Amino acid sequence: QSALTQPASVSGSPGQSITISCTGTSSDVGGYNYVSWYQQHPGKAPKLMIYDVSGRPSGVSNRFSGSKSGSTASLTISGLQAEDEADYYCSSYTSSSTYVFGTGTKVTVL
Amino acid sequence: EVQLVESGGGLVQPGGSLRLSCAASGFTVSTNYMSWVRQAPGKGLEWVSLIYSGGNTYYADSVKGRFTISRDNSKNTLYLQMNSLRAEDTAVYYCARELGYCSTTSCRRYYYYMDVWGKGTTVTVSS
Repeated sequence: QSALTQPASVSGSPGQSITISCTGTSSDVGGYNYVSWYQQHPGKAPKLMIYDVSGRPSGVSNRFSGSKSGSTASLTISGLQAEDEADYYCSSYTSSSTYVFGTGTKVTVL
Repeated sequence: EVQLVESGGGLVQPGGSLRLSCAASGFTVSTNYMSWVRQAPGKGLEWVSLIYSGGNTYYADSVKGRFTISRDNSKNTLYLQMNSLRAEDTAVYYCARELGYCSTTSCRRYYYYMDVWGKGTTVTVSS
């Protein structure tokens, strides 16, 4: 199972919106509405930010939103804040009943 | 409080073995779907293995035949037995929970995401 493709880095100024893409295949992202997104600060464990493409866990800011079109999912962070600077990973359920993660995107707040 | 705590990491020579543990509190390991995920230094997340509530197990191709996932229900603990270790297995290993959807008689997969993560344990394979 090949990793899902994400841009290596995305940056934005405070208050701006940014979008991170996550491209897979019909065997993962395109085949199921089971895409999740994780935020990881340096030296910390991943934290669930979005589940089932666009669901938001309790406690996660509504500045985070998700969507999907075909085999590409997206995470949008609106009103960018300094605390959003972190690595972000998408993940998808696969046709093998397992998971595959994205390559990861480093978000920089300018 | 729902929590996962990994242990058992360390330095091991190539070809050696190590067993990781993941102690759960606040929920029952056996009624959920538990994964191991690893992250090599400076690299991204890689899913490693999954155990179903019913006991079925799944592995990434990179570890198949070398790693074994298991659990001890009496200790509410998840394990990862790692044999024939290679330098490329060097990573922080996280355990994570996928919540099971349970009736009075059985559990099934319904929530396809990992909502609880441990802080990780570091494995270094080097001579």
